[in-house]
Amino acid sequence: NAGVTQTPKFRILKIGQSMTLQCAQDMNHNYMYWYRQDPGMGLKLIYYSVGAGITDKGEVPNGYNVSRSTTEDFPLRLELAAPSQTSVYFCASGEFTESNQPQHFGDGTRLSIL
Amino acid sequence: GEDVEQSLFLSVREGDSSVINCTYTDSSSTYLYWYKQEPGAGLQLLTYIFSNMDMKQDQRLTVLLNKKDKHLSLRIADTQTGDSAIYFCAETPLSGGYNKLIFGAGTRLAVHP
Repeated sequence: NAGVTQTPKFRILKIGQSMTLQCAQDMNHNYMYWYRQDPGMGLKLIYYSVGAGITDKGEVPNGYNVSRSTTEDFPLRLELAAPSQTSVYFCASGEFTESNQPQHFGDGTRLSIL
Repeated sequence: GEDVEQSLFLSVREGDSSVINCTYTDSSSTYLYWYKQEPGAGLQLLTYIFSNMDMKQDQRLTVLLNKKDKHLSLRIADTQTGDSAIYFCAETPLSGGYNKLIFGAGTRLAVHP
């Protein structure tokens, strides 16, 4: 059982380049999330999805886009990379039920924009 | 507003107990979580407590919740070098609607011999 898988693990981009961070989960979770983690800060929610075909903005969505064509995959796209987007990006999945269903996290993608 | 605060650093001697503290602002929070992050890894759920509980014990971990003061603590008994990591407190506000998690900035625990 792989859980949440993120690729790539590391990436260096030039300003203005674009890229897609991949995220896949095999737990059949409906809810998926993208967070960024800046040094000395907690995780900030970028986008989330409550099911295939449905996405919505989190706290810090500017400069990013997402899509959710399948339950398993939730890619995050940076269209015009900026230095402020240098961060560690985490994908998570979970469920939202009356009983506790905590979020499960991937190992992260470390992205540097130079 | 929603905010979670933690102290940034804690240093303990191996074998001693560690206590990591957290305060939160949203009194509607249903669940409160402790996550552990080891270097280069994602967040691993350690334990959680439901808001109508005062205490939860799980092997070496004890979670205490003071709902009146909105204070959460994580006690690690017999702290080992493998416990060195960043510990995040997180809350789930009732108003989230999508299992929203609000994270603190994390407490870096250093365990020395």
